[in-house]
Amino acid sequence: QVQLVQSGAEVKKPGSSVRVSCKASEGTFREYAISWVRQAPGQGLEWIGGIIPVLGTTTHAPQFQGRVTIEADKSTTTASMELSSLRADDTAVYFCARSFGFRWDFDSWGQGTLVTVSS
Amino acid sequence: DIQLTQSPSSLSASVGDRITITCRASQTIANFLNWYQQKPGKAPKLLISSAFNLQSGVPTRFSGSGSGTDFTLTISSLQPEDFATYYCQHSYSTPCSFGQGTKLEIK
Repeated sequence: QVQLVQSGAEVKKPGSSVRVSCKASEGTFREYAISWVRQAPGQGLEWIGGIIPVLGTTTHAPQFQGRVTIEADKSTTTASMELSSLRADDTAVYFCARSFGFRWDFDSWGQGTLVTVSS
Repeated sequence: DIQLTQSPSSLSASVGDRITITCRASQTIANFLNWYQQKPGKAPKLLISSAFNLQSGVPTRFSGSGSGTDFTLTISSLQPEDFATYYCQHSYSTPCSFGQGTKLEIK
């Protein structure tokens, strides 16, 4: 069974940064991309960006330009997403999800990590 | 960037009903359209990829069709476990994006 296991909930102050991690299997890291998708309370799904660990190639949605860093540590098969300059409207559940190569259709998801931004 | 518009945004139906959800893309995306089901407090689940490819383990009452800019998700006979929110998503290019969702409720 495919498992993507995410780090725990975070509470952050406005203006700070948050880093969320996603532990995957070696097979997933070798053949799949890992994306980050968020969902604000009561809202829809928003793709943040992704990484192909075997290539180190990253891509992200333009609205996150300059604020998001997506990385993959092949030694621990863990992907991470850091979002900086946090605002209240960044409060959301953040999911990691995998897709095969460059397909960008997500066949397995992490359990989600709630990030709350509040002063 | 490609925008996806789903309709309706909400839908009330009964067990046994046949329902259709539509998704329209702002430009052609060939068949790079996927459908997800999400239940409260859970991660989305991929139901259909590439417009019509049913994922393993997904009941055959779910089907997808379409190409270019117009796509549909059909549930042929609603079961109690199907009441959830459904999202379309394009994978034609990055940034990939999702529709705004269709909440399917029990009538």
